[in-house]
Amino acid sequence: NAGVTQTPKFQVLKTGQSMTLQCAQDMNHNSMYWYRQDPGMGLRLIYYSASEGTTDKGEVPNGYNVSRLNKREFSLRLESAAPSQTSVYFCASSEGGGIEKLFFGSGTQLSVL
Amino acid sequence: LAKTTQPISMDSYEGQEVNITCSHNNIATNDYITWYQQFPSQGPRFIIQGYKTKVTNEVASLFIPADRKSSTLSLPRVSLSDTAVYYCLVGDTAYSGAGSYQLTFGKGTKLSVIP
Repeated sequence: NAGVTQTPKFQVLKTGQSMTLQCAQDMNHNSMYWYRQDPGMGLRLIYYSASEGTTDKGEVPNGYNVSRLNKREFSLRLESAAPSQTSVYFCASSEGGGIEKLFFGSGTQLSVL
Repeated sequence: LAKTTQPISMDSYEGQEVNITCSHNNIATNDYITWYQQFPSQGPRFIIQGYKTKVTNEVASLFIPADRKSSTLSLPRVSLSDTAVYYCLVGDTAYSGAGSYQLTFGKGTKLSVIP
């Protein structure tokens, strides 16, 4: 059971570079999410996709774009990386919205120099 | 979405029962209470969810008083492997027709289990 798979696990970027974080789930879930977690902080929602074909902003969307490629895949793109985007990024999925159980990936540690 | 308040950190010795309380004074009628556990370098993992009274599973128990303005996560006989951050979340279900996708995790409670 793979669950939620994120790639890459680690990435180092220079300021201004771009990159895409990939996320895929094999649970046939409708909803997918991208969170970021900074040291000593809780998780903050960047973007979410309630269902295939829809995406919406979360709490901290600035500097990011997302694509719900199909029901399985939800990618997060940094067009011009900034040091403030150094963080751990988690992808999650759930059957539906609300308080439905969230399943998380193992995270991507991103450093922007 | 109801705001939650929980202690920043707690320490406990191995073998003890640990109770982590979460306050959610403005919880709505349709809201459920959910707890997640996060180990270092991992994503959060669902532990337990409840609406009222008591819920128990193989990992923990969740106690919710009648007024539902707080809840307590109980971990029986903790071990070193229970050292983690525990998050309390409150929100309604998708089936209520008013589900929100923007759940707030907050900073959680960092539990340290001491040998």
